[in-house]
Amino acid sequence: DAKTTQPNSMESNEEEPVHLPCNHSTISGTDYIHWYRQLPSQGPEYVIHGLTSNVNNRMASLAIAEDRKSSTLILHRATLRDAAVYYCILSRALFRNSGNTPLAFGKGTRLSVIA
Amino acid sequence: EPEVTQTPSHQVTQMGQEVILRCVPISNHLYFYWYRQILGQKVEFLVSFYNNEISEKSEIFDDQFSVERPDGSNFTLKIRSTKLEDSAMYFCASSEGNLAGAAGELFFGEGSRLTVL
Repeated sequence: DAKTTQPNSMESNEEEPVHLPCNHSTISGTDYIHWYRQLPSQGPEYVIHGLTSNVNNRMASLAIAEDRKSSTLILHRATLRDAAVYYCILSRALFRNSGNTPLAFGKGTRLSVIA
Repeated sequence: EPEVTQTPSHQVTQMGQEVILRCVPISNHLYFYWYRQILGQKVEFLVSFYNNEISEKSEIFDDQFSVERPDGSNFTLKIRSTKLEDSAMYFCASSEGNLAGAAGELFFGEGSRLTVL
């Protein structure tokens, strides 16, 4: 299975941008890159996902390297509410019409936001 | 905004008892999942369910576990004879499409905390 590598923890000041890196050097051409986060005492929450092109949504931006071996989740202005564990996960496409590929969560990056 | 709901939020049971955790996925979703998270550890995949059958399961999902979609709205996880090590937060999730595709957003519930004494 393709694996991801993330720093164990990061720290950011409130209202500053945060760049959360993820390495996935064994990614295959059909793997999507997913980011989820888990706030304290809550279930995981979808943040963003993409395949090859950079993606933006209301929560964050996803910058994907040209060789796809790494990606960066960008929170444009960190707030205290963004303090969470952030997970970078690859989903492998198997047979698109015959079920699904479960997401396997690793340890993620624990982001602390300082007021 | 539609959400995945889970009941109960917390259940305490004696070792060896049967437990059923219930989930109501988002109504137009087709794929359903159970995950668990032992306190202080990572979120672990248990099982995925599509088209009224299990599509994938992990090593954790042994014969003591079963899932069912008894009607058009509920998705349940049953643990037949609970063990101490089953104590964990259990998360239900659903997705509209295959996670390996463009519609690959997974929606999680708030979780059901199971404590086995």
